Amino acid sequence: AAGVIQSPRHLIKEKRETATLKCYPIPRHDTVYWYQQGPGQDPQFLISFYEKMQSDKGSIPDRFSAQQFSDYHSELNMSSLELGDSALYFCASSPTDSGRSYEQYFGPGTRLTVT
Amino acid sequence: GNSVTQMEGPVTLSEEAFLTINCTYTATGYPSLFWYVQYPGEGLQLLLKATKADDKGSNKGFEATYRKETTSFHLEKGSVQVSDSAVYFCALSENRGSTLGRLYFGRGTQLTVWP
Repeated sequence: AAGVIQSPRHLIKEKRETATLKCYPIPRHDTVYWYQQGPGQDPQFLISFYEKMQSDKGSIPDRFSAQQFSDYHSELNMSSLELGDSALYFCASSPTDSGRSYEQYFGPGTRLTVT
Repeated sequence: GNSVTQMEGPVTLSEEAFLTINCTYTATGYPSLFWYVQYPGEGLQLLLKATKADDKGSNKGFEATYRKETTSFHLEKGSVQVSDSAVYFCALSENRGSTLGRLYFGRGTQLTVWP
């Protein structure tokens, strides 16, 4: 069965640089979620999209932006990177029917290291 | 607000031992409850879920019962295997409202099973 695809799997950037993370949801899943998991921490919700519109926003820094495209893939853009942005970034997708969300399927994550 | 409190780890057990990982929650509405498992180097996988009070989720020998009176969703397994070694996350999501679908995670419990 198809799973959530994230790219790249690993990314190393320097402070103040920009990074773009990509997420390809499971086919026919119209909702995408982004989470950030710091070292030894629980995943924290960043942002979600439903049918290409932002549906919910969590603790996402203003330096970050995201969008969902017409093919439902999503990109998380991170600018002016800081050391504290080093984390595992997960994307998850779910099908949504009449506003009721189903369980989320997670990708393998992108490990971002800022030096 | 919504939050999940999970038993601190790490938990170390011998093969075939009984496992309990405690999880309690605080929610403003009527959440769905989940257990996710994270194997080394991999993304989060849904282990089991329960969507309303008194529901029991079960999968691969793991069980958890949604207890509204004690706001708990403890994970249990009667006989653990070495292959169960992983990090386990308890999580909740609201079933309605503007944060529909957003997952709130506990801190995670590292389980190590020795042969």
